[in-house]
Amino acid sequence: KNEVEQSPQNLTAQEGEFITINCSYSVGISALHWLQQHPGGGIVSLFMLSSGKKKHGRLIATINIQEKHSSLHITASHPRDSAVYICAVLNPGGGADGLTFGKGTHLIIQP
Amino acid sequence: NAGVTQTPKFQVLKTGQSMTLQCAQDMNHNSMYWYRQDPGMGLRLIYYSASEGTTDKGEVPNGYNVSRLNKREFSLRLESAAPSQTSVYFCASSLFRDRVYGYTFGSGTRLTVV
Repeated sequence: KNEVEQSPQNLTAQEGEFITINCSYSVGISALHWLQQHPGGGIVSLFMLSSGKKKHGRLIATINIQEKHSSLHITASHPRDSAVYICAVLNPGGGADGLTFGKGTHLIIQP
Repeated sequence: NAGVTQTPKFQVLKTGQSMTLQCAQDMNHNSMYWYRQDPGMGLRLIYYSASEGTTDKGEVPNGYNVSRLNKREFSLRLESAAPSQTSVYFCASSLFRDRVYGYTFGSGTRLTVV
């Protein structure tokens, strides 16, 4: 079973700061998702990546397959970025263990 | 808007009561999933349906049953609710199960069993 670890668990920062959230996993994967969950809200997929780097607005996601590590960066952070960010890995092959989720990083951006 | 629709959004049950959580997607996805989310834990897979007509157990299936009614709909049933089933439930879908395609999640059902 893939073990997915996120760090930090909790992060409080000031508006405008550069944010980095890390995700590491123990077994090779097909792809990795970064998800966003606002308080009381649903889950939105931000990125799905299997190699390299993707950028969408102020969000950047990178993955290093050899090191089994991914990072999510937020540039010029804003209070509306406050949410739980979840890393999920897609395990290759069939069977029940499709996606394995990290426990999430609680991010608070203060004005 | 295209996506995954879950109903209800909130529910309170008494221990021993039964209920069905409904999920429907309009993206022509083949695979559908039910997850539960508990404090301090990652989302855990309850059941999934890789394609219409098939269902399989996930990590935490005990106390639940599912029905893949057609390609669009995948329901989750609690036959005799227990306080341990208090959780937030998410339905999700994807084009295929084990390929590199994105997942789409519903907005969640917050269930409390008293």
